[in-house]
Amino acid sequence: ETGVTQTPRHLVMGMTNKKSLKCEQHLGHNAMYWYKQSAKKPLELMFVYSLEERVENNSVPSRFSPECPNSSHLFLHLHTLQPEDSALYLCASSQAGGGGSVQYFGPGTRLTVT
Amino acid sequence: GQQVMQIPQYQHVQEGEDFTTYCNSSTTLSNIQWYKQRPGGHPVFLIQLVKSGEVKKQKRLTFQFGEAKKNSSLHITATQTTDVGTYFCAGDTGGFKTIFGAGTRLFVKA
Repeated sequence: ETGVTQTPRHLVMGMTNKKSLKCEQHLGHNAMYWYKQSAKKPLELMFVYSLEERVENNSVPSRFSPECPNSSHLFLHLHTLQPEDSALYLCASSQAGGGGSVQYFGPGTRLTVT
Repeated sequence: GQQVMQIPQYQHVQEGEDFTTYCNSSTTLSNIQWYKQRPGGHPVFLIQLVKSGEVKKQKRLTFQFGEAKKNSSLHITATQTTDVGTYFCAGDTGGFKTIFGAGTRLFVKA
């Protein structure tokens, strides 16, 4: 499955580092999402972009900063993270609007904050 | 707030046994989706149910959507080791927010 790609696949960073996660979708979708998946927790929606505009921000700490330059690309900029931010970060895309939004996920970035 | 509850959290079965996971929403859903996440993998879309009382089958998997469009179930007949993973339901209430259940992790013993 190569519809949604994410880089890097694994990332280890210190609490003072700045890094970015990248997501690209090749499905022609108009909405993109960032989710956080921690052990023993449900998928947590972080951000939603539709047509490059942010439409949902679920009270995510400001140390996470999203960017959506176009409908195919989504970034998550990270700075001064905490150890509890270690998780699998999943990007997804969908063709939003009318009749449901089936989401296609990328493989995720496994983030470890030391 | 809107919630989607999923039970059980874990299920251990012997290969060949049946398995069912249940999903309940606090609000009426416009549709419900089911996803499977293999260990070490990412969620993969299985199916979407839209109509009240809808039943769909995919080989050994049977999906149901309740009459009130607030609950759903996934039943696997005669589980196989390839069925291991976490099964998520996801409720769509319209707009851009799809609410995921916590998932049911299925373990299959050969």
